[in-house]
Amino acid sequence: EPEVTQTPSHQVTQMGQEVILRCVPISNHLYFYWYRQILGQKVEFLVSFYNNEISEKSEIFDDQFSVERPDGSNFTLKIRSTKLEDSAMYFCASSEEGLALSGANVLTFGAGSRLTVL
Amino acid sequence: DQQVKQNSPSLSVQEGRISILNCDYTNSMFDYFLWYKKYPAEGPTFLISISSIKDKNEDGRFTVFLNKSAKHLSLHIVPSQPGDSAVYFCAASALGSGGGADGLTFGKGTHLIIQP
Repeated sequence: EPEVTQTPSHQVTQMGQEVILRCVPISNHLYFYWYRQILGQKVEFLVSFYNNEISEKSEIFDDQFSVERPDGSNFTLKIRSTKLEDSAMYFCASSEEGLALSGANVLTFGAGSRLTVL
Repeated sequence: DQQVKQNSPSLSVQEGRISILNCDYTNSMFDYFLWYKKYPAEGPTFLISISSIKDKNEDGRFTVFLNKSAKHLSLHIVPSQPGDSAVYFCAASALGSGGGADGLTFGKGTHLIIQP
């Protein structure tokens, strides 16, 4: 069964450092997402990406965050200068269609990348 | 602002009995609802969904009920099995509403524990 893969599974970094989280979405999917879950809290939407540009972003996704699809397979989330409060599990997801087109669309999530900022 | 609320952080049910997980929402623009299941060290996986034009959707042991007037939905699992032990997230989306329409809004999750 096709799956979304994420690397690294766990990253520890110092406050102020740049972090890049990588994702390989399902190959025939066109829409890509990043969500995060701070420990003990709900899963929160960060950003959606389609056709090589951001489709939608939440208030959390400020100037410290950026996303990129550098080649035909990877989808990355960069945090320029990490803060303590960025510590969370970051989930990448992909879908065949965007939610704005069809609420019926189902996201396939990766296993997540745990980011710990010290 | 919790637009999707799962008020029970955990629920313990005996194997073979019915598990009922509840979810309330406040945003009347939501028109599609999904349940995701999450095991430790894994990402959420899709379980079942329902459109706002329906009040029930069934898939095997899983049934989702939607009460639009009460802005309430529930997931029924019957009979409950040990493998059902997981965290269950309720999620909602608003088709074409703009402002986050591409993102699912999740509840905090309910940890379901199936006891043998």
